[in-house]
Amino acid sequence: SAVISQKPSRDICQRGTSLTIQCQVDSQVTMMFWYRQQPGQSLTLIATANQGSEATYESGFVIDKFPISRPNLTFSTLTVSNMSPEDSSIYLCSVEKAGDGMNTEAFFGQGTRLTVV
Amino acid sequence: LAKTTQPISMDSYEGQEVNITCSHNNIATNDYITWYQQFPSQGPRFIIQGYKTKVTNEVASLFIPADRKSSTLSLPRVSLSDTAVYYCLVGDQGGKLIFGQGTELSVKP
Repeated sequence: SAVISQKPSRDICQRGTSLTIQCQVDSQVTMMFWYRQQPGQSLTLIATANQGSEATYESGFVIDKFPISRPNLTFSTLTVSNMSPEDSSIYLCSVEKAGDGMNTEAFFGQGTRLTVV
Repeated sequence: LAKTTQPISMDSYEGQEVNITCSHNNIATNDYITWYQQFPSQGPRFIIQGYKTKVTNEVASLFIPADRKSSTLSLPRVSLSDTAVYYCLVGDQGGKLIFGQGTELSVKP
């Protein structure tokens, strides 16, 4: 299993500023994933972060807007840059590890609730 | 990655069995079927995973027919605390997860 800590849990930010979200895992993992969940919507994958290489972004997401760092196998950050009200969302960090039996499970942090005013 | 289709919402009453069916017509040979549960203000939580036939754990059962083009999550005797959004995902083990719309289950007393 994996325990994921995200910081901050919530924040209210002024438009035009940037916020960096931290994700700490209690064990080493190869890949870490960042998702966005807008109010009332499903999760959308932003990018996959591998240690030692540049993150891989999904369609519609770019590095200039959502720079990601992955300095080691237990930590990653996601920055939401030059924020606008449309960036108001919950941002979640996730990892995948072997669970009970033969399963591969995704474990999620509690999320960071961002409100841009 | 195979696309999944689920009902947007379902209603049930306490004590009933709830079956949520997911369609995944383009499932690949290496794909597994995994279900997650999400409560408000929390990240999704793994429920069950399977490849074929039937899988059962302490919280749910997963039924997968031979053609694997659909799957059914079965929740026995639901309670109010089972009110949540349930996501069906299809993909390689250890690969990126693409979430569909999910099914919002409402359990009433």
